Amino acid sequence: EAAVTQSPRNKVAVTGGKVTLSCNQTNNHNNMYWYRQDTGHGLRLIHYSYGAGSTEKGDIPDGYKASRPSQENFSLILELATPSQTSVYFCASGDPGTGGGTEVFFGKGTRLTVV
Amino acid sequence: GEQVEQRPPHLSVREGDSAIIICTYTDSATAYFSWYKQEAGAGLQLLMSVLSNVDRKEEQGLTVLLNKKDKRLSLNLTAAHPGDSAVYFCAVSASSGSWQLIFGSGTQLTVMP
Repeated sequence: EAAVTQSPRNKVAVTGGKVTLSCNQTNNHNNMYWYRQDTGHGLRLIHYSYGAGSTEKGDIPDGYKASRPSQENFSLILELATPSQTSVYFCASGDPGTGGGTEVFFGKGTRLTVV
Repeated sequence: GEQVEQRPPHLSVREGDSAIIICTYTDSATAYFSWYKQEAGAGLQLLMSVLSNVDRKEEQGLTVLLNKKDKRLSLNLTAAHPGDSAVYFCAVSASSGSWQLIFGSGTQLTVMP
């Protein structure tokens, strides 16, 4: 079964500190995504990747960096965490299907609180 | 860019009743449409997806309708039960590019016994 694993599941960080959220997928998908979920906004795309070594900006990339060192791993990095980055972060992987469209598999999320 | 609006934000129904959630989108090139379910404390689970050449799809008590003329997508849960209580999201994507999904803002569905 397709699997996307995020770590940590919960994180409390101090303002100005560095935070790294990790994601691992065993789906062998080329595409991976980082979203954040906030009440009233649904999920918003932060960064995505087409494959190892690739990172692309999504809709809300400011304050975030991403790293895709391998097919399986995709990290989200907050160099200087701010309270406005308190949110639930979801990693996902998915590739276009042969019939069009794409099935995206999500991790269980990381709850980040910046104090 | 694509804009997706989802309504209602909250929906309460009795067990056995139908629940209908609607999304509207703006980009006529949108080619892929999907619905996700998120239970409390969990990630998103894909429920159903359709391509733009499909107007109606039914699976296991769920019906997805796509009206391309009005740019409207709906999810109908027939005979809802308490286990259907969750947050539901629509998500759409264009036929090219990153296949990034644009999500609606979600509907909190509560099914009362």
